[in-house]
Amino acid sequence: DIQMTQSPSSVSASVGDRVTITCRASQGISSWLAWYQQKPGKAPKLLIYAASSLQSGVPSRFSGSGSGTDFTLTISSLQPEDFATYYCQQANSFPLLTFGGGTKVEIK
Amino acid sequence: QVQLQESGPGLVKPSQTLSLTCTVSGGSISSGSYYWSWIRQPAGKGLEWIGRIYTSGSTNYNPSLKSRVTISVDTSKNQFSLKLSSVTAADTAVYYCARLGWLRGGYYFDYWGQGTLVTVSS
Repeated sequence: DIQMTQSPSSVSASVGDRVTITCRASQGISSWLAWYQQKPGKAPKLLIYAASSLQSGVPSRFSGSGSGTDFTLTISSLQPEDFATYYCQQANSFPLLTFGGGTKVEIK
Repeated sequence: QVQLQESGPGLVKPSQTLSLTCTVSGGSISSGSYYWSWIRQPAGKGLEWIGRIYTSGSTNYNPSLKSRVTISVDTSKNQFSLKLSSVTAADTAVYYCARLGWLRGGYYFDYWGQGTLVTVSS
């Protein structure tokens, strides 16, 4: 199985800050990676797929990069509605899809 | 706009079978090259993929749950279902149904249901 490790597990930030979250795969997954945002009591929402493609309707302050084993999600200017938990998910070893452990973005 | 909605008992006794149904609206479950999937999330924890089905009936399951999981599809009702047998308290979680869409060469969860909490307790 491909293991996905996110860091940090939580981050405290203020509105307007630039926030970067990292996801590392236990083996190379090319660019087969997605990022999801989950707010309390809600289902996850797809933000980024294929490592860097923005899902329709997602604000451009979200961006993704990376390939192989190391990936990042960047929020260029944190907004109040961005406080949530973020998960990465690998799509390389289809059909066995695995998620990272999550990164909680909290208000500083 | 595709919408998914989970339904089923919120309380299941230990050793019994958990059964959930996902109803898809806003489009036919048979149209397009989509897979339909179940994912769960214990309280305060991360996401675990359970399995997926294609409308042909072809299935794949997470190896950690494979011996207890069955996913089926009813295209006439635009629904797919999950059965998880021999449940224990460790199966208590919010269960989500989701669509796997083909995006730039890979499958990703592009539509999700709202989730339903299933508690395993006597």
